[in-house]
Amino acid sequence: GQQVMQIPQYQHVQEGEDFTTYCNSSTTLSNIQWYKQRPGGHPVFLIQLVKSGEVKKQKRLTFQFGEAKKNSSLHITATQTTDVGTYFCAEQAGGTSYGKLTFGQGTILTVHP
Amino acid sequence: EAGVVQSPRYKIIEKKQPVAFWCNPISGHNTLYWYRQNLGQGPELLIRYENEEAVDDSQLPKDRFSAERLKGVDSTLKIQPAELGDSAVYLCASSLGTGGPQHFGDGTRLSIL
Repeated sequence: GQQVMQIPQYQHVQEGEDFTTYCNSSTTLSNIQWYKQRPGGHPVFLIQLVKSGEVKKQKRLTFQFGEAKKNSSLHITATQTTDVGTYFCAEQAGGTSYGKLTFGQGTILTVHP
Repeated sequence: EAGVVQSPRYKIIEKKQPVAFWCNPISGHNTLYWYRQNLGQGPELLIRYENEEAVDDSQLPKDRFSAERLKGVDSTLKIQPAELGDSAVYLCASSLGTGGPQHFGDGTRLSIL
């Protein structure tokens, strides 16, 4: 079955530093989605990547999908205290399993002011 | 647009008691998901509905868990009897179509005594 590896598990940064989380899969993915969960909150959809090598930006957030569609990354430039939370990648398989998301363990981001 | 509504927000019961959770998805969203999220983990899919049909219930512990989605709108998830290991947050999500961005409710935090 799908294996979703997300690293690091924790990341502490000073406000203004950059942050990156990585997601790796053992299988080729149909697409990958990223979610953010604030402490005490629920996951909130950030973005979906579909194409091989795709790069998308949302203000200070940059999302990449690997050429082989087996890995992805989320990079935040110049973190702010509002970026605090857990960032999850969620991998979507293809074929008959399409529609099923498998979430990674998440990366917990702490930003020190 | 109203979001996904779940109730109750919190539930505390003794082991071996039954418990039920309710979810009202976003209007027009034909796909509904139930997830379980343990502390420090990503959400794990329990069951996925397309309209009123359960299309993926492979992760649902069917000896004690049941779910229904009558008329393809609201859904309920039931546990009977509850065990100590069922303590978790139960999240409901919905999406406009299969594979699209998922919108999560606030979840029900279940504690088993």
